[in-house]
Amino acid sequence: DIQMTQSPSSLSASVGDRVTITCRASQSISSNYLNWYQQKPGNAPKLLIYAASTLQSGVPSRFSGSASGTDFTLTISSLQPEDFATYYCQHSDSTPLFTFGPGTKVDIK
Amino acid sequence: QVQLVESGGGVVQPGRSLRLSCAASGFSFSSYGMHWVRQTPGKGLEWVAVIWYDGSKKYYADSVKGRFTISRDNSKNTLYLEMTSLRADDTAAYYCARGVGSAYSTYYFDYWGQGTLVTVSS
Repeated sequence: DIQMTQSPSSLSASVGDRVTITCRASQSISSNYLNWYQQKPGNAPKLLIYAASTLQSGVPSRFSGSASGTDFTLTISSLQPEDFATYYCQHSDSTPLFTFGPGTKVDIK
Repeated sequence: QVQLVESGGGVVQPGRSLRLSCAASGFSFSSYGMHWVRQTPGKGLEWVAVIWYDGSKKYYADSVKGRFTISRDNSKNTLYLEMTSLRADDTAAYYCARGVGSAYSTYYFDYWGQGTLVTVSS
């Protein structure tokens, strides 16, 4: 099975900062099946980006995603107060099997 | 608008059973694969099960295989999760989620319910 890791596991940042979160797959995967979710305390996860770089409808353009080999990156270009949350990457394969990364918690510095 | 509303959670003793429901509205329920995903308190997300749009195929995580059964009633726009032989490590918030993809695959989950909490404890 493919394992997903995320780094860092947590980070502290200030409003306006550029934030980058990395998700790494244990083996090569198609970027078509790598997705990012945001979860705030007490809420369900919310889809941010699918297929590594496609922004879900309604998601602010300060969020972006990219892929390079087995590494996938979520970038928030200018952190806003509402962006403090936990972010998860997720991979889908044809088994079918759906694997989430362990999450990256973004909190206020 | 798309809505998914889970119900049926609660406190249950180890070894007992529980059935969760997820009422869907605002979209053509019978056209989508549907999933259950759980989240243990303070922990990450774990995919549990999927059922294809027509109910023809069902798949489970190894951790629940043989104990949980996913089903759907497209006439009632409702998804179910029958959980038997419950264990303490099944304690989690259970979310239903809509899958987006092709007929028999899911690429991502675009809508989630608010979750229902299951606590397995004596």
